Amino acid sequence: DAGVTQSPTHLIKTRGQQVTLRCSPKSGHDTVSWYQQALGQGPQFIFQYYEEEERQRGNFPDRFSGHQFPNYSSELNVNALLLGDSALYLCASSLGGRSSYNEQFFGPGTRLTVL
Amino acid sequence: AQSVTQLDSHVSVSEGTPVLLRCNYSSSYSPSLFWYVQHPNKGLQLLLKYTSAATLVKGINGFEAEFKKSETSFHLTKPSAHMSDAAEYFCVVSPMTTDSWGKFQFGAGTQVVVTP
Repeated sequence: DAGVTQSPTHLIKTRGQQVTLRCSPKSGHDTVSWYQQALGQGPQFIFQYYEEEERQRGNFPDRFSGHQFPNYSSELNVNALLLGDSALYLCASSLGGRSSYNEQFFGPGTRLTVL
Repeated sequence: AQSVTQLDSHVSVSEGTPVLLRCNYSSSYSPSLFWYVQHPNKGLQLLLKYTSAATLVKGINGFEAEFKKSETSFHLTKPSAHMSDAAEYFCVVSPMTTDSWGKFQFGAGTQVVVTP
């Protein structure tokens, strides 16, 4: 059973560019969440997708957007990249439903470096 | 509003000695609480979770945590540290309010070093 997969593993961009990160959830999961983990810090919640809609959003600017496809996979897009966007981007999948008990399963992350 | 505080940024223990990682939370409602571990260059792995069924929660690899509502704490312990326990540990709170459920809030993390 494949777990959560993310691509690419590493990415280098320059300021002002746009980037797309991809995530495939664990088999059977229908909810995808995205997190940003800066060096030496805990992950910060960006947003969560369920039934192809953004269900929850953290304190991130509109430059951060996402999408969920019918097969539950998801993309994270970041426009107008800033140096401060350099971080590890984590995708997590879980089962939907209105319960805070559902643990989230994390992928290995995409390391984004903005020069 | 929810928040979580990990009281130690670094913990160093000798192999075979107990490990204690401290976590306090702030929540308007009884939250769900989790501990995750992050090994270098690997994804976050769930150690255990509290869901109000029992205050003492047992997890994988010999870890356990006790939920204490009166102290708003959820400390993680292990009786005997192993070299493979060296990693970053995160305490996580999951809000119970309908406008915030699923929005995991992570602590800043505790780096555990295990010496021979």
